[in-house]
Amino acid sequence: DGGITQSPKYLFRKEGQNVTLSCEQNLNHDAMYWYRQDPGQGLRLIYYSQIVNDFQKGDIAEGYSVSREKKESFPLTVTSAQKNPTAFYLCASSVDRGDTQYFGPGTRLTVL
Amino acid sequence: QQPVQSPQAVILREGEDAVINCSSSKALYSVHWYRQKHGEAPVFLMILLKGGEQKGHEKISASFNEKKQQSSLYLTASQLSYSGTYFCGTESIAAGNKLTFGGGTRVLVKP
Repeated sequence: DGGITQSPKYLFRKEGQNVTLSCEQNLNHDAMYWYRQDPGQGLRLIYYSQIVNDFQKGDIAEGYSVSREKKESFPLTVTSAQKNPTAFYLCASSVDRGDTQYFGPGTRLTVL
Repeated sequence: QQPVQSPQAVILREGEDAVINCSSSKALYSVHWYRQKHGEAPVFLMILLKGGEQKGHEKISASFNEKKQQSSLYLTASQLSYSGTYFCGTESIAAGNKLTFGGGTRVLVKP
């Protein structure tokens, strides 16, 4: 079955630690995205990538980093520089930028 | 700047209708509608492209008025399964053709 997978579903981290969230898709989509969602809020774009080895900052990129070494994978690292990282993180992909986006199940990150 | 959705929340009885609006300050190329159940990922409902077309999904339909830079989502004869948070995502050339999501409209359908 084609789709987007994110792991882990729940993640706990101590303050000051970096943590990497995984996102994999087998839809052969060129574009991939990372969003952050806070309780009762909308989706805010962190980073996006249109092709391999290229990515662009979104609206709230500070404290985050990404890589796109393979078409299928777009991992997100939440660094210690992110002041308030506790949130629900969603990865999405689309055929191309502006096309319908399909979302993974999300990772809920809690900083202790 | 993100699009503005209204109302922020609506409570319906099963079978009732509702309208959710999405307004942007930018000229839009397309509008995407998603529904998210609590704790789950958003699920795509429909996309409306420039041209004022209207689309439908089950008994959920939407319209896009590009001159007014707004879209409306119509929930007709609502079912319990329609409960969730509805988001519009707008695409504009000014925003580099990235989707910008509104703050969401919470819909609760009661028996």
